Amino acid sequence: KAGVTQTPRYLIKTRGQQVTLSCSPISGHRSVSWYQQTPGQGLQFLFEYFSETQRNKGNFPGRFSGRQFSNSRSEMNVSTLELGDSALYLCASSPGQAFAKNIQYFGAGTRLSVL
Amino acid sequence: DQQVKQNSPSLSVQEGRISILNCDYTNSMFDYFLWYKKYPAEGPTFLISISSIKDKNEDGRFTVFLNKSAKHLSLHIVPSQPGDSAVYFCAASEKGAQKLVFGQGTRLTINP
Repeated sequence: KAGVTQTPRYLIKTRGQQVTLSCSPISGHRSVSWYQQTPGQGLQFLFEYFSETQRNKGNFPGRFSGRQFSNSRSEMNVSTLELGDSALYLCASSPGQAFAKNIQYFGAGTRLSVL
Repeated sequence: DQQVKQNSPSLSVQEGRISILNCDYTNSMFDYFLWYKKYPAEGPTFLISISSIKDKNEDGRFTVFLNKSAKHLSLHIVPSQPGDSAVYFCAASEKGAQKLVFGQGTRLTINP
């Protein structure tokens, strides 16, 4: 079974631009979660999508948004980039059903640098 | 407000000995706990998990212990191997929620 795939692996953007990151979950997984990792804040939850609906949201500004498609693939978008958005963005997938163990499997991440 | 804390930023252990990584939490609603291992420039890799109804779970060289009254869990690695050198994250979730709350991580170094 293929793992979680994130594209692109690296991105360089300038302040004020916007960026879209993509995530393909493990086949059969319907839940996709996004996390931001920075040296200062560690791993922080952004949001989770299940069956094309946002089910949970972390404490991030509205510049951070996401969506999920019918094939469970997900994208996250960051608008009006700030220097502080430089981070490793991680996507994780899991079956997502209430009766299933909440083991999330992570992709390799997208390293975003904002200049 | 850090709900999951790993108070040791780093740990150094000799190859073949036991590595013990610790994690404390404050949220009594957490009912599922996980350990992940992370290498630089890679995503976290799932290691082992434990439900709040158990106090121990074992998988090969890895054992996780949960002390609910102390809100404390630990990961034991026996015997430690050089390939175990990585950053280890403790994570927790509330019942039915997909959101994982992570600790800050502990960098484990296994010395030959």
